Amino acid sequence: DAGITQSPRHKVTETGTPVTLRCHQTENHRYMYWYRQDPGHGLRLIHYSYGVKDTDKGEVSDGYSVSRSKTEDFLLTLESATSSQTSVYFCASSGGANSGANVLTFGAGSRLTVL
Amino acid sequence: TQLLEQSPQFLSIQEGENLTVYCNSSSVFSSLQWYRQEPGEGPVLLVTVVTGGEVKKLKRLTFQFGDARKDSSLHITAAQPGDTGLYLCAGARSGNTPLVFGKGTRLSVIA
Repeated sequence: DAGITQSPRHKVTETGTPVTLRCHQTENHRYMYWYRQDPGHGLRLIHYSYGVKDTDKGEVSDGYSVSRSKTEDFLLTLESATSSQTSVYFCASSGGANSGANVLTFGAGSRLTVL
Repeated sequence: TQLLEQSPQFLSIQEGENLTVYCNSSSVFSSLQWYRQEPGEGPVLLVTVVTGGEVKKLKRLTFQFGDARKDSSLHITAAQPGDTGLYLCAGARSGNTPLVFGKGTRLSVIA
């Protein structure tokens, strides 16, 4: 099916370990985003990409890095996970031929627990 | 500082009642969107409003964009249990800037 897939959907890891979350879209969208969702905070932007190899920081980028080597893939890396990074992470994309840059399609989320 | 303030945070109503959810800001937005999110899933776009004063209807849902493009409201008529979910407003300051989201309104409609 077309759309956005995130992997893994669930992950439990220990403090200090590296973690990579993957996002794959088949919409040929130009823009891709990583958000985290926490109780009391809503959705907050971590990083976004406006093209292959073009990325920029969002509101809560500290401790996270991203890479986009292909239009369809956007990776989020936690170099050394901390308990404060326990969250649900959502990938989104936008900017297809029939939608504007701000019409977001979201993945189903990746729940990360850092012990 | 939260750019978009949503109210109420939580709302529990009986089936058949009407409700309004508000999204307010001191900033001007080029567009505002409303998303609905169900447990275990990502948000899904309901509507985009781009013109000040614009009103859009989607079956029992009515969306309004304020004249000054700083606020929006979502009104649901005769709520049903299927309307239960987290409603998020999101705004774009300009055409290509990333969306900022409100914290959401969690709606529970009891049969």
